[in-house]
Parts: sequence; structure tokens; C-alpha cells
Amino acid sequence: AQSVTQLGSHVSVSEGALVLLRCNYSSSVPPYLFWYVQYPNQGLQLLLKYTSAATLVKGINGFEAEFKKSETSFHLTKPSAHMSDAAEYFCAVSGPAGKSTFGDGTTLTVKP
Amino acid sequence: EPEVTQTPSHQVTQMGQEVILRCVPISNHLYFYWYRQILGQKVEFLVSFYNNEISEKSEIFDDQFSVERPDGSNFTLKIRSTKLEDSAMYFCASREGQGAVYEQYFGPGTRLTVT
Repeated sequence: AQSVTQLGSHVSVSEGALVLLRCNYSSSVPPYLFWYVQYPNQGLQLLLKYTSAATLVKGINGFEAEFKKSETSFHLTKPSAHMSDAAEYFCAVSGPAGKSTFGDGTTLTVKP
Repeated sequence: EPEVTQTPSHQVTQMGQEVILRCVPISNHLYFYWYRQILGQKVEFLVSFYNNEISEKSEIFDDQFSVERPDGSNFTLKIRSTKLEDSAMYFCASREGQGAVYEQYFGPGTRLTVT
């Protein structure tokens, strides 16, 4: 079975500060890992994905994530937060069958 | 860019009524999924569908739920007798093939409110 754990249901940063959203995974097979962003009352937008190529993955809106097998982690970072980054962020893991298993989500608040 | 579409965007129904949520996946995609997100909670897998049959379903997907691809373009989720706890956002997703190279594309969701 596959699962992800997102550490911290709420993260608050100041505008311009580093964003770090944590995700740890559990998988018996090489995982495919994803980060999605969800704005209020909207759908899921893919930020980036890890598919066993480069361990440092760059996504949209300046976000990136690093796959660390030794730590079973796939943390999401952004060097400088913008007000528009305020949203819910979900880490997800997918296996060969294709279904995605999502974490509980992290609400990012950006303070002016 | 191709996208997954879902209708309606919001459905209000009374408890015990049947509802059908509709999705149009991306045209060359072969794998289809339904997910559910209860307000304020995480996204949960309901069912996956390939080659006109269910390939996997979760424990949430009980006998009240069914899926169908009636005409080669639409992909529907039917809830036979809705309960209050079925109130949620329902997301359809599709992908072209298996394997990580194939991204799963999500629709905008249908918000189901059961009163």
C-alpha cells in the first residue's frame, strides 16, 4: 500500500520568505510523487511531479521539490513566497495502477 | 490545451434521490478515475476504470455507486440513493496510459450538496 504524510496542516510565512511544505511517503515500489495546489472552490492543479528521472524537480510558479529516497521525502519549496501562493497544497503518490493517494493537505497562508 | 470537463459544477439534491455526475475525459485517454473531497478534507480515491470495466475501487465505492462510459466520450458517476454524507466535491480524472510519464488530468469538480 502507498501513503503520504504531510507534516503540518497549516503553514504561515511572510511574503518574500522561504516556503517549505513537507511530505513523506511510504511505498513498496518506486513511487511517482506529485504536488497539487488547490485554490478555494477550485479544482486541483499539478505543480510538479517526480517520475524517477531527476531528483530535483522544478514546477510551475517557482516551486520545486527534491526526492530523497533515504529520507522517503518529497518536500516542496519556493524561495520567495507571494501573496498569490496562499492555497491548499496536496502531496500525492501514485503507483503503476495509476490511482493517486493524497495527503491530508497543508494550508499555506502568506502574510503581507 | 485539452482538458477534462465536468457537469454540472454544482448539484443540489434531496436525500434518497439519484444523481448522475458527468465527465468528459480528454479524448485520447484510456484510464478514468473518480475522486471525492469532503469539505475541508483530503482527496480520496473512489474508482478507476479501464477498458469498460472497473479496475480498482475503494471501500467508499459501495453498491450505491456505479460508473459508466455510455457513449465513448462521457464518463459518469451515479449515486443511486444519496445520503447526507455524500455531500462533497467529486473530481473526475483521466490519463492517456499507465506509468508516470502519463500525467493524470483532473477536472474542475462537481460540488454535490445533499439536503
